[in-house]
Amino acid sequence: GAVVSQHPSWVICKSGTSVKIECRSLDFQATTMFWYRQFPKQSLMLMATSNEGSKATYEQGVEKDKFLINHASLTLSTLTVTSAHPEDSSFYICSAYPGLAGGPVRETQYFGPGTRLLVL
Amino acid sequence: GQNIDQPTEMTATEGAIVQINCTYQTSGFNGLFWYQQHAGEAPTFLSYNVLDGLEEKGRFSSFLSRSKGYSYLLLKELQMKDSASYLCAVSDSNYQLIWGAGTKLIIKP
Repeated sequence: GAVVSQHPSWVICKSGTSVKIECRSLDFQATTMFWYRQFPKQSLMLMATSNEGSKATYEQGVEKDKFLINHASLTLSTLTVTSAHPEDSSFYICSAYPGLAGGPVRETQYFGPGTRLLVL
Repeated sequence: GQNIDQPTEMTATEGAIVQINCTYQTSGFNGLFWYQQHAGEAPTFLSYNVLDGLEEKGRFSSFLSRSKGYSYLLLKELQMKDSASYLCAVSDSNYQLIWGAGTKLIIKP
């Protein structure tokens, strides 16, 4: 199956610093990438959707200036958490999809292994 | 609003069968996904149903009734490694995935 990598897998940082998380599709071109956040014992929460070469679409309540998303190529998307605070501590998961967002979803998204962020 | 309901937690015995239910109310329907998520890991795809009926894939089967807004995931011959959370997700009229909160399945020897 398709492989998606995420780096780093664990981040511990001080409050006020910025953290960059990379998401790569290793064996297919990901036209669309999704960024999710998951708090303990809760479901996945979609943060934003990005199509390669265009600006990300953020979900309601997600600050686009705080969570910067760059989908610069068909195999790489990055999420930067700027000026991180303890409440940003969470499990961040990306997924990659070969089709366009808003189109028929006849195959699954392929998930990365996730990045656990702890802000002290 | 859009809503996906599934039980919070279920317990079953190794070797037995368990059925995890999912009911949904969404604006439109373009398919239902089941994912497995082990603790601390990302979800992995199990099944996709868009037509009514049962889809069987090895020890796992998934059923869909669109008229009832209902699906279930059936796990047979349970193994200890099946202990995980099982997430139900529905693709709505905009092809956006609406996620359930997940069902934590505990397998006992």
